Amino acid sequence: DTGVSQDPRHKITKRGQNVTFRCDPISEHNRLYWYRQTLGQGPEFLTYFQNEAQLEKSRLLSDRFSAERPKGSFSTLEIQRTEQGDSAMYLCASSTPGLAGAYEQFFGPGTRLTVL
Amino acid sequence: GEDVEQSLFLSVREGDSSVINCTYTDSSSTYLYWYKQEPGAGLQLLTYIFSNMDMKQDQRLTVLLNKKDKHLSLRIADTQTGDSAIYFCAERSGGYNKLIFGAGTRLAVHP
Repeated sequence: DTGVSQDPRHKITKRGQNVTFRCDPISEHNRLYWYRQTLGQGPEFLTYFQNEAQLEKSRLLSDRFSAERPKGSFSTLEIQRTEQGDSAMYLCASSTPGLAGAYEQFFGPGTRLTVL
Repeated sequence: GEDVEQSLFLSVREGDSSVINCTYTDSSSTYLYWYKQEPGAGLQLLTYIFSNMDMKQDQRLTVLLNKKDKHLSLRIADTQTGDSAIYFCAERSGGYNKLIFGAGTRLAVHP
């Protein structure tokens, strides 16, 4: 399978605990995005990496959130001191410029986080 | 600001055409995208259109873009039960090409 993969697919945690999610992009893609999707809504942008550099962060990304892409390949998203409002689907996407510069983003299956 | 709006629900009969509409606000968007999400699955890119085009056809899918009105539509010909899903419109925004999504249109196909 050469698509975007995410691990774990589901995570249940208690309020106040820390969680970490992993994303493995399509191998030749140098651009990586994290989004969050809550029930009944479309995905919302969280952060963007080009290779290992984190170039954009949404104001949705509070101080409790941190993302890394240490070698420009896989990425991790950590949430510290989780809150019930963090319950959502966390989606990862990767892209390259493409033939026409369309920068098509290909999404992984997501990690569903439930904070009790 | 950036905003994408879609109607929330559409019901069609199998074999009919479906038209899903979307409006966006960022006039500098260069590309607009349509994604499909089935229950329990990730987002699948269906098609996209460059802002200097007004129509793009891809098999059963036709995308129409009215840049003046900032209106985008997705037409699915000969709609099948397998087309039942949530369809998201998205505009590309900013120098790093993040996507701004609408809330999604749930398409229900009935016999």
